[in-house]
Amino acid sequence: DAGVIQSPRHEVTEMGQEVTLRCKPISGHDYLFWYRQTMMRGLELLIYFNNNVPIDDSGMPEDRFSAKMPNASFSTLKIQPSEPRDSAVYFCASRPSDISSGNTIYFGEGSWLTVV
Amino acid sequence: EDQVTQSPEALRLQEGESSSLNCSYTVSGLRGLFWYRQDPGKGPEFLFTLYSAGEEKEKERLKATLTKKESFLHITAPKPEDSATYLCAVVLRHSGGYQKVTFGIGTKLQVIP
Repeated sequence: DAGVIQSPRHEVTEMGQEVTLRCKPISGHDYLFWYRQTMMRGLELLIYFNNNVPIDDSGMPEDRFSAKMPNASFSTLKIQPSEPRDSAVYFCASRPSDISSGNTIYFGEGSWLTVV
Repeated sequence: EDQVTQSPEALRLQEGESSSLNCSYTVSGLRGLFWYRQDPGKGPEFLFTLYSAGEEKEKERLKATLTKKESFLHITAPKPEDSATYLCAVVLRHSGGYQKVTFGIGTKLQVIP
């Protein structure tokens, strides 16, 4: 399996621009998570989906952030408009519901966002 | 509010100098605890899952233990390649029967030759 695939790996954008981050989870995984990582706050859970349905978006910082999962193999995290304080590494992760697999979460390599 | 606290934030060891990293938690509905390793520029990589107090898991120089309030990651005779950030995460029972995963901020370990 190719693992969780994220794109782009790096993005530099200007303040006010729209940013779209993309994620392809591992096939067969029905949980998908979006995390944001910064030095000060570590890994923060933004939102998670189960079977393509958003379950908890309480970690989404504000209305400028939105996430969708139109099907089991694709999710997006959108920031519009972007601000310099959104600069961080955004991780997508997935895991199966099957407890026998150990509930392990598998992470992508991250999308490094810099807003100038 | 559910909290996961890791200590120390940073740790510098000489090669061969054993030590422990701590992850303490105040949560309700714990369903498990993960340990992950993260190298610079990479996503976190799974190490262990622990489910109940008293449980232990080992992998090479690493051993993870769990009590009702905390978990330890023991590193025996570390090598420079063990340098990384170590993250713990708790799996929580969430409303609707779902499971939410919350991470600590991590311990940055540096092992010096």
